[in-house]
Amino acid sequence: DIQMTQSPSSLSASVGDRVTITCRASQSISRYLNWYQLKPGKAPKFLIYAASTLQSGVPSRFSGSGSGTDFTLTISSLQPEDFATYYCQQSYSTPTFGQGTRLEIK
Amino acid sequence: QITLKESGPTLVKPTQTLTLTCTFSGFSLSTNGVGVGWIRQPPGKALEWLALIYWDDDKRYSPSLKSRLTITKDTSKNQVVLTMTNMDPVDTATYYCAHRAIQDYGGIQNWFDPWGQGTLVTVSS
Repeated sequence: DIQMTQSPSSLSASVGDRVTITCRASQSISRYLNWYQLKPGKAPKFLIYAASTLQSGVPSRFSGSGSGTDFTLTISSLQPEDFATYYCQQSYSTPTFGQGTRLEIK
Repeated sequence: QITLKESGPTLVKPTQTLTLTCTFSGFSLSTNGVGVGWIRQPPGKALEWLALIYWDDDKRYSPSLKSRLTITKDTSKNQVVLTMTNMDPVDTATYYCAHRAIQDYGGIQNWFDPWGQGTLVTVSS
């Protein structure tokens, strides 16, 4: 199994802040890295694939970067609807998810 | 438009077998490259991938749960069924099914999108 480690596990921020979440793979996964957003009671939302390509309809304030083992998800200017939990997932081999990063309002 | 919906019992007893059905529309599981996966999230915990079935009936399982899981498909009914044996309270979770999409993007990228709303399964006597 490829292990995915996210940091931080939780993060407090304010509307308008720029935030970055990190995801590290236990071995190189090239750019086979996806990001999802989860909110309570709602279906998970797919955000980014291939480490940096935004899914259609995802606001441009979201961006992803990285390759190999180290990846980041950045939200350039937090909006109220962005407070949620974010997960990375590697698609290089049988899927594994990170442990999640809970983004809370400060 | 692709949609998926999970169905099954909300409560199962320890040692029982859980059977969940994913009913989908908007795609065919006989189309090259397509797959359906199951993912769960215990309360307050992280997402955990469980199983994946492909258009060609190839199947993949989480190594840690492989001995307890079976995934099957009924292409004519647009359904995927997941069974998990010997249920335990630690298996209490929201269970999601999701469409596995692929794209040739400098290699065959794949991801889960969209997902169903999920179904909460509680394991308790």
